Amino acid sequence: TQLLEQSPQFLSIQEGENLTVYCNSSSVFSSLQWYRQEPGEGPVLLVTVVTGGEVKKLKRLTFQFGDARKDSSLHITAAQPGDTGLYLCAGASGTYKYIFGTGTRLKVLA
Amino acid sequence: GAGVSQTPSNKVTEKGKYVELRCDPISGHTALYWYRQSLGQGPEFLIYFQGTGAADDSGLPNDRFFAVRPEGSVSTLKIQRTERGDSAVYLCASSIYVGQENEQFFGPGTRLTVL
Repeated sequence: TQLLEQSPQFLSIQEGENLTVYCNSSSVFSSLQWYRQEPGEGPVLLVTVVTGGEVKKLKRLTFQFGDARKDSSLHITAAQPGDTGLYLCAGASGTYKYIFGTGTRLKVLA
Repeated sequence: GAGVSQTPSNKVTEKGKYVELRCDPISGHTALYWYRQSLGQGPEFLIYFQGTGAADDSGLPNDRFFAVRPEGSVSTLKIQRTERGDSAVYLCASSIYVGQENEQFFGPGTRLTVL
């Protein structure tokens, strides 16, 4: 069974701080996605990384795919209250099936 | 344009009853997914449709769960003889194609509570 473990599970920080969320597995994925989910809504895709070692930036968010395509990280610079939410990684198993991680719940305090 | 919609938004039922959850995908999206999300967890894959056919139903927990997509658009997830353990948010997602850059668009979910 493929599993994606995310750490930390919960994170509460002050506005302006930096943070990193990790997504780890013993399995290799063909691609990996990061989503953010807010209460009462479905997850919204932030980024897809495909190549081992790939780094993508989305404003203050930096995503990295591990060289072996088994792990990924999300770094947020100068967090803002609007970044609050549940962050989920999802690894592609084949061309269509996605295994979601356990989630990291982030709260950014003003 | 309209996103993925799901009805009802909330469903409360009693143990042993039958429920149907509906998903309206984005028009033109051929791929449709159902997931189940328990409190504090990430979504768990249930079933994937490509067009009208269920290409992969390996995530359905048991034979009480069934899903259809008869015309390749709207899908219904059906749960028979509901159990308290079925309580969760059921999410539907659609995408225009599959592949490495596949972007799934999720609906807001149906919160199912089995008493």
